[in-house]
Amino acid sequence: AQKVTQAQTEISVVEKEDVTLDCVYETRDTTYYLFWYKQPPSGELVFLIRRNSFDEQNEISGRYSWNFQKSTSSFNFTITASQVVDSAVYFCALSDADSNYQLIWGAGTKLIIKP
Amino acid sequence: DVKVTQSSRYLVKRTGEKVFLECVQDMDHENMFWYRQDPGLGLRLIYFSYDVKMKEKGDIPEGYSVSREKKERFSLILESASTNQTSMYLCASSVPLNQPQHFGDGTRLSIL
Repeated sequence: AQKVTQAQTEISVVEKEDVTLDCVYETRDTTYYLFWYKQPPSGELVFLIRRNSFDEQNEISGRYSWNFQKSTSSFNFTITASQVVDSAVYFCALSDADSNYQLIWGAGTKLIIKP
Repeated sequence: DVKVTQSSRYLVKRTGEKVFLECVQDMDHENMFWYRQDPGLGLRLIYFSYDVKMKEKGDIPEGYSVSREKKERFSLILESASTNQTSMYLCASSVPLNQPQHFGDGTRLSIL
């Protein structure tokens, strides 16, 4: 069965440090999609990135970068030079044919950036 | 930008009341979803709809029903609210199911 594991429940770092949020997934499908969402304290879920299983290129968007490695079934998220505004809960999710393309969610990682 | 609007940010109701949570999206998306989010349990899918008048049960449909009479609007109904339905409710919409879901701001519902 599909599964998404975010082993880090909570991470706390000081502003300007780099931080990596881990995401490990399980699926039997060869075609699948991976997502990251951010949930700030205000509560809304904000879409960050979608990656399909055929595209293993790493992605960089400003201070955010994502490392997709099929060999280890991981899709990790790194924030470089973290800022207080990055404080949020971050969710990783998987979508595949087995789940009828519904999102399978990880439990989330709470990221605290201290000034 | 996609806009998903939930009718209330905060709502307080009494046990046994019939409660309606409304969600409207402005991007003509076929798919709409209702989730609830509880500490330690993450996001759980209650119902989703892939077209007008069409609905599918999610992981935790018990105690809930939904209505989708128009493409842009998806309503979640608590037929007889109970205290264990106190939660954060999130509505989302998407085009194909493998595309990102776009979320509303959420409704924090308290059942007293």
